[in-house]
Amino acid sequence: AQKVTQAQTEISVVEKEDVTLDCVYETRDTTYYLFWYKQPPSGELVFLIRRNSFDEQNEISGRYSWNFQKSTSSFNFTITASQVVDSAVYFCALSDILQTGFQKLVFGTGTRLLVSP
Amino acid sequence: NAGVTQTPKFRVLKTGQSMTLLCAQDMNHEYMYWYRQDPGMGLRLIHYSVGEGTTAKGEVPDGYNVSRLKKQNFLLGLESAAPSQTSVYFCASSMTSGGRDIQYFGAGTRLSVL
Repeated sequence: AQKVTQAQTEISVVEKEDVTLDCVYETRDTTYYLFWYKQPPSGELVFLIRRNSFDEQNEISGRYSWNFQKSTSSFNFTITASQVVDSAVYFCALSDILQTGFQKLVFGTGTRLLVSP
Repeated sequence: NAGVTQTPKFRVLKTGQSMTLLCAQDMNHEYMYWYRQDPGMGLRLIHYSVGEGTTAKGEVPDGYNVSRLKKQNFLLGLESAAPSQTSVYFCASSMTSGGRDIQYFGAGTRLSVL
């Protein structure tokens, strides 16, 4: 079965530190999608990135970067020079194809990041 | 610029009471979803819809019913609330299948069942 493991329950850093959030997944599929979502204190989930299994290029967006490694089934997320506004819960998610053919998401349990000034 | 709107934002129920959570999206999305978020468990899919007039069960459908009479609205009903249904409920929508497409989430409804 599809599974996403975010082993880090909570991480605390001081502003300007770099921080990496780990995501390890298990899948039976050869084609799949991985996502990261951010849940700030206000509560809504905000999309950050989507990666399909054929695209192993790392991606950088401002202070955010993602490292996708199929060999280790990991899709890690790094925030460079963290800021207080980065404080949130971050979820990694993996696509899962049901018997009906519908694709849903399987979410990890989330990592709470606390950035102190 | 509304996106996905959920009402109400907070609700307290007594065991056995019923209620309906409303989700509305203005992005003309085909797919809509209801999730529940519980501490330490991430988000779990309750029900989903692949288009107007269709609904299907997700991972944890027991105790909930849904309806999608209009494309833009997806309603989640609790017929007889139980304390185990205390949770934060999220609605989401996507243009195509949610496993490969970006899902857009509402702000959530915090429900307490006493």
